[in-house]
Amino acid sequence: SYVLTQPPSVSVAPGQTATITCGGNNIQSKAVHWYQHIPGQAPVLVVYDDTDRPSGIPERFSGSNSGSTATLTISRVEAGDAADYYCQVWDSSSDLVVFGGGTSLTVL
Amino acid sequence: QVHLVQSGAEVKKPGSSMKVSCKASGGTFSIHGISWVRQAPGRGLEWMGGISPMLGTAKYAQKFQGRVTITADESTSTAYMELNSLRSEDTATYYCARYEQFGDPLDYWGQGTLATVSS
Repeated sequence: SYVLTQPPSVSVAPGQTATITCGGNNIQSKAVHWYQHIPGQAPVLVVYDDTDRPSGIPERFSGSNSGSTATLTISRVEAGDAADYYCQVWDSSSDLVVFGGGTSLTVL
Repeated sequence: QVHLVQSGAEVKKPGSSMKVSCKASGGTFSIHGISWVRQAPGRGLEWMGGISPMLGTAKYAQKFQGRVTITADESTSTAYMELNSLRSEDTATYYCARYEQFGDPLDYWGQGTLATVSS
């Protein structure tokens, strides 16, 4: 089955840029979606189809996908961005949805 | 605006079953799919399966094959997730989430249902 690998944690100071990676075999051939999950709340879609943002999501959130790594970038990080972030793809070979293990973003 | 409202918290005994509902409003239920995702304490998000109400077809993660059944009632715009043979490891928050086509992003989520399995 297809595996997505994320770093367990990322720390960044307010105002700086956070970079969260999602590794997978030839992931560039797949559409990657990213979710923000604050404990106790429902997850929120922040980037879809590698680079697109749903309405209402700040431009500070951006995504890219190349080779074997997709990346979520959060610019000018704010305290409210502290959350767990998950990447997700659809694996066409198994016709199943796959989540990465999640990355906990700490704002110092 | 689309809203997904899930049923309330559950407390179950090991070996029993549970059925969680997810009622949709503000959109056209039948043309979208519903996925079920869970998060156990201290663990990440885990996709369990999904259903296309229009087609009536469901897909399941291999881990849950044979133990989970996802259904949808178009007349009430409600999706259901039934999990059988419960064990303590099934203690988790269960979420429903909407998608356009299977494989598309999950754009709207329910509030979550906490299920506790304990003797």
